[in-house]
Amino acid sequence: LAKTTQPISMDSYEGQEVNITCSHNNIATNDYITWYQQFPSQGPRFIIQGYKTKVTNEVASLFIPADRKSSTLSLPRVSLSDTAVYYCLASWAGFQKLVFGTGTRLLVSP
Amino acid sequence: EAGVTQFPSHSVIEKGQTVTLRCDPISGHDNLYWYRRVMGKEIKFLLHFVKESKQDESGMPNNRFLAERTGGTYSTLKVQPAELEDSGVYFCASSPGHVIEAFFGQGTRLTVV
Repeated sequence: LAKTTQPISMDSYEGQEVNITCSHNNIATNDYITWYQQFPSQGPRFIIQGYKTKVTNEVASLFIPADRKSSTLSLPRVSLSDTAVYYCLASWAGFQKLVFGTGTRLLVSP
Repeated sequence: EAGVTQFPSHSVIEKGQTVTLRCDPISGHDNLYWYRRVMGKEIKFLLHFVKESKQDESGMPNNRFLAERTGGTYSTLKVQPAELEDSGVYFCASSPGHVIEAFFGQGTRLTVV
């Protein structure tokens, strides 16, 4: 299971775009990049998943370069409710054991 | 559709006592997982059920922890006897088939005093 590295914390303001970068130098061919969001007193919630290039859904975009050694979660126009911890995971779909790192604590201010 | 439900939401017990945590996965999800986060640490995998079978229990810390999933529906995680270091938040998650999107419950906060 590939180890991921991401910033411990980030600060932003309402309406800004936030980009959280994750490093996964030892990612395996079969690994997908998955991001989870966690609010206080709740369990993690799946945000987005990708293998390479760009994936977009109603919540976020995920950019993965060709070498797949890093990825960037992009949150467009954040609001106060986006304040949470964001986890980047490299997981093999067939293995299904999620390995959580320390996550990035995002604080969105007015 | 109901999400993953965990009971109780909080539990405070004395060292040496027994506690049983329950998880009701999303209906139809064959995969059920237990995770926990102890104070100041990362969320760690405990074990994985596929239906009623234990697929991977490599994360179980010791034999004081016993997980069951009779009938392949809800699951219980028993800690007996509880120790102070067992305090933390225990999360249950479920997923259908071979997908990475796991649905987590709100967690059970266990405090051993």
